[in-house]
Amino acid sequence: EDKVVQSPLSLVVHEGDTVTLNCSYEVTNFRSLLWYKQEKKAPTFLFMLTSSGIEKKSGRLSSILDKKELFSILNITATQTGDSAVYLCAVAQGGSEKLVFGKGTKLTVNP
Amino acid sequence: GAGVSQSPSNKVTEKGKDVELRCDPISGHTALYWYRQRLGQGLEFLIYFQGNSAPDKSGLPSDRFSAERTGESVSTLTIQRTQQEDSAVYLCASSLSWTNPIQYFGAGTRLSVL
Repeated sequence: EDKVVQSPLSLVVHEGDTVTLNCSYEVTNFRSLLWYKQEKKAPTFLFMLTSSGIEKKSGRLSSILDKKELFSILNITATQTGDSAVYLCAVAQGGSEKLVFGKGTKLTVNP
Repeated sequence: GAGVSQSPSNKVTEKGKDVELRCDPISGHTALYWYRQRLGQGLEFLIYFQGNSAPDKSGLPSDRFSAERTGESVSTLTIQRTQQEDSAVYLCASSLSWTNPIQYFGAGTRLSVL
């Protein structure tokens, strides 16, 4: 069965801390891995990773994929209260249009 | 439109009633997806449309669930004879085409079945 596992399930930090969120996967015919940020409403797209070892970066957020070890990490540096959200990891498979999602990591950043 | 629009944002219904949830995708997006998110869980795939056809209905949990799409635009997800276990947030997403994995999500419909 295809599965995506995220850890930790929840995390509480103070503003200014750096956090690392983990996503491991076991899927057939891997195509790409996507990260989304979900606040109270719509999940918003952050990154799509297809190739191993190439870091994607956007401001304080960065992500990298390891296709050999079947995992990805999402780093957030100098966290702010606005980073508080559930971060979702999803995998796209070749020949399938749906995304397989993990349960998410709930990040709380306290002032 | 600017983004994926879903309505209603909240729906409270009594057990046994039928409900219709609506999704208006981003203009020009040919692929449309429905997911269900139960409390504390990840997103569960329900159904996908390419144009007006639904090649993959494998995620629909029972025959009480159905969906249609018209004009390669608006989609409706219908749940008949609702049960309490149907309570969840129903999310709709669209993408440029089925070959593009980046899906853009609406804010969801929170369904509560009493």
